[in-house]
Amino acid sequence: DQQVKQNSPSLSVQEGRISILNCDYTNSMFDYFLWYKKYPAEGPTFLISISSIKDKNEDGRFTVFLNKSAKHLSLHIVPSQPGDSAVYFCAASRWGYGQNFVFGPGTRLSVLP
Amino acid sequence: EAGVVQSPRYKIIEKKQPVAFWCNPISGHNTLYWYLQNLGQGPELLIRYENEEAVDDSQLPKDRFSAERLKGVDSTLKIQPAELGDSAVYLCASSSLGFADTQYFGPGTRLTVL
Repeated sequence: DQQVKQNSPSLSVQEGRISILNCDYTNSMFDYFLWYKKYPAEGPTFLISISSIKDKNEDGRFTVFLNKSAKHLSLHIVPSQPGDSAVYFCAASRWGYGQNFVFGPGTRLSVLP
Repeated sequence: EAGVVQSPRYKIIEKKQPVAFWCNPISGHNTLYWYLQNLGQGPELLIRYENEEAVDDSQLPKDRFSAERLKGVDSTLKIQPAELGDSAVYLCASSSLGFADTQYFGPGTRLTVL
């Protein structure tokens, strides 16, 4: 039973346009969410987070939106750059010390020049 | 600052053979995680250490997997004997306070079992 789903295995976007990556979760106890980015042959690196007390968090070109009622979050990248081409993982947890994150299967983003 | 170091980066073995993976976390990080990543999937936690204590090993298949972190620094994950289905990437991560959002991942070890 997948608690965190990323239903689009891949996404292609033109350079300069917006990339929107989606994530759905089933466990209503989750209240803290992360996005990780992974390049080939490297480990995932933390990108941006959001807690359930917010519905939006921004960091430069990256914005994460959270819709608690729909149990849905999305990552927006504007403008997309070729260097953004990577696999993006959504992860969810309960906030607090010692909590473990559940990762989604990832979405491979390709930004075309 | 050096990142999380893992070795080997790649390992090919025949089924029923033993295999071990090594991880050296970022200096000063008390929490260490081992994850399994199958192709097309996200990382799945195998075990989490706080210093030398395994505080969560509920997802570790203990019949064939074992792990240790004897001095609360580096860690070894072992599989004995390996099965075909163990082919995957094994990721190590560390964090300083046990808050997983601050965890830093190593590059992983890609295991192929023939």
